[in-house]
Amino acid sequence: DVKVTQSSRYLVKRTGEKVFLECVQDMDHENMFWYRQDPGLGLRLIYFSYDVKMKEKGDIPEGYSVSREKKERFSLILESASTNQTSMYLCASSPSQGAQHFGDGTRLSIL
Amino acid sequence: RKEVEQDPGPFNVPEGATVAFNCTYSNSASQSFFWYRQDCRKEPKLLMSVYSSGNEDGRFTAQLNRASQYISLLIRDSKLSDSATYLCVGARYNFNKFYFGSGTKLNVKP
Repeated sequence: DVKVTQSSRYLVKRTGEKVFLECVQDMDHENMFWYRQDPGLGLRLIYFSYDVKMKEKGDIPEGYSVSREKKERFSLILESASTNQTSMYLCASSPSQGAQHFGDGTRLSIL
Repeated sequence: RKEVEQDPGPFNVPEGATVAFNCTYSNSASQSFFWYRQDCRKEPKLLMSVYSSGNEDGRFTAQLNRASQYISLLIRDSKLSDSATYLCVGARYNFNKFYFGSGTKLNVKP
């Protein structure tokens, strides 16, 4: 079974803090993705990566950056957290041709 | 127009009923297709891939109609545990972009 692990289920941070969300997959997948999901807005892609050190912007990259130094790990960084970044964050991975598999999600609250 | 569109529902059906959801897609989301299930406050979980010839997994049947650009999911003999939101997903040809529908909510009632 594919396992995608996100570092925290719940996280509370303050406005202006730098926030790191970590994601690790154990299936040697090429592609990794970060989404946020908000009520009424569905899943929105923030960034994705198709190889180590490669990244591409998704639909809503503003205020975020990512890092993929190793194939199994994809990190999402909120450079200076703001209240409008309070959301559910979902990491996913997929092979070069195949479906995505999601982590449990991180519920992030910015106060 | 969104790449993948679904009726948000909710679909309220009694236990044992057969229910079908449709999903339409645009050309950009037209390589491969999947159905996911998402329970409240949980992550989406892959339910099934959708193959051109149609495919079945137990009580679930998925169909693809490329001419009309839609996919469907049929659930037979609905169970209470089928209550969830069902997400239709299309993938671009190189699988580096996935287009999610907004989801169809299903409530199965006793």
